[in-house]
Amino acid sequence: ILNVEQSPQSLHVQEGDSTNFTCSFPSSNFYALHWYRWETAKSPEALFVMTLNGDEKKKGRISATLNTKEGYSYLYIKGSQPEDSATYLCASGDNAGNMLTFGGGTRLMVKP
Amino acid sequence: DAGVIQSPRHEVTEMGQEVTLRCKPISGHNSLFWYRQTMMRGLELLIYFNNNVPIDDSGMPEDRFSAKMPNASFSTLKIQPSEPRDSAVYFCASSFGHPSGYTFGSGTRLTVV
Repeated sequence: ILNVEQSPQSLHVQEGDSTNFTCSFPSSNFYALHWYRWETAKSPEALFVMTLNGDEKKKGRISATLNTKEGYSYLYIKGSQPEDSATYLCASGDNAGNMLTFGGGTRLMVKP
Repeated sequence: DAGVIQSPRHEVTEMGQEVTLRCKPISGHNSLFWYRQTMMRGLELLIYFNNNVPIDDSGMPEDRFSAKMPNASFSTLKIQPSEPRDSAVYFCASSFGHPSGYTFGSGTRLTVV
C-alpha cells in the first residue's frame, strides 16, 4: 500500500447503531497514526495518535486500534449519535520526517 | 494558546485580483502546512515549511500560487492572478513534529467570481 486508504468512503447509520471503519497505511517505516474528526464548516480536530502495535485508544464512545505489522487501524463508534456525523480522517507518519499522509476520509451520517 | 489563526475567514474576490491568505501558527511549532479542500480532491497539501524553510512545494498548483514564511510566527499564501477554479477552503496547520500531529486553523473560504 503506497497511500493511506480509508473505507468506506461514506456511511449512513441509524442513531444507536455501532459502527466502524478502516484506515490502511504503509507498514514500512511506520512512525505514527493519527485520527481526526472533521465536522462540516469546521477544521479537523485531533482524536487520537497511536504509535505502538496493539495500541488502543478510547474517548467516550469512540475507540481506535492499531496494527502496525499489517498496516491498518480501525475506528469504532458505539451507539452512534447525530452529533457524531462528520468526516473521520486518518493520517500516517513515517520516520523520515514530519509530514503526514492523509487518507480520503470516511463521511459518517447518523440519522435520528 | 489561541491555536492556529487564519485570516480572513472569508474572501470574495474578482477573477484576476491578487489574494493573500494569512496564517499564524502555534508558538513553538516548527512545521507549517498549507492545505486546500475541494469537493473533487478532498484535502490537498500545497506546501510545507520546516523551521521557516519551504521543504516541499510540489502540491502548489501553478506559478500563480506562492507561499512565504518570513518568520516562525507568520506565513502567507498568495494567488496572483486569481481564477474561479481557485475557489476552495484553504487550511493552515502547524506541528511540533512526531507524534503530536497537526493543529488546523479555522480555514479561509475563498470565492473567486
